Amino acid sequence: EAGVTQFPSHSVIEKGQTVTLRCDPISGHDNLYWYRRVMGKEIKFLLHFVKESKQDESGMPNNRFLAERTGGTYSTLKVQPAELEDSGVYFCASSHRLTRSTDTQYFGPGTRLTVL
Amino acid sequence: GQQLNQSPQSMFIQEGEDVSMNCTSSSIFNTWLWYKQDPGEGPVLLIALYKAGELTSNGRLTAQFGITRKDSFLNISASIPSDVGIYFCAGFPYSGTYKYIFGTGTRLKVLA
Repeated sequence: EAGVTQFPSHSVIEKGQTVTLRCDPISGHDNLYWYRRVMGKEIKFLLHFVKESKQDESGMPNNRFLAERTGGTYSTLKVQPAELEDSGVYFCASSHRLTRSTDTQYFGPGTRLTVL
Repeated sequence: GQQLNQSPQSMFIQEGEDVSMNCTSSSIFNTWLWYKQDPGEGPVLLIALYKAGELTSNGRLTAQFGITRKDSFLNISASIPSDVGIYFCAGFPYSGTYKYIFGTGTRLKVLA
């Protein structure tokens, strides 16, 4: 069974440009999460999809970030326009979720975003 | 917001030594998890803990869910070079949603 995949693995862009990150969850997982780790800090939650619906987007930093999950399969996270403080590693995770206490989230390898 | 304080931040140890790291919180957590991240990879789940007082092992790894629900520790026995990486604690807050709260990580370096 394939794990969570993310594309690209690295992205280097200039301030003001747009970047779109993609995540393909484990097949059959309804729950998809985006997280971000800024250098040296903890991994922070951005948002949570259940199928195509946004369940919780309380962690989204501002309206420059837009996440979509059309059709309830893969998800994209667009940053437009990118700012220097957006640099970091963006992780995607997915889970099947039987109950909250056993909702093990499986993480992708991350996309390292560098904004110059 | 809720935070997990993880310590130590980093550690160098000799191969064969035992390692201990912990996470504490000011609020109650419902579930504790320990993840390891290797360079260029995403976090991989090592151990999940669901009940206060629970002690669980996974090979050379042992983790416990504190009885106060506000802390957890991870022990690695007889460390080997491939134990190198960043270890994160994570948890579901008791009154929270389905989002994980992560600790800041412990960077482990093993000297052969």
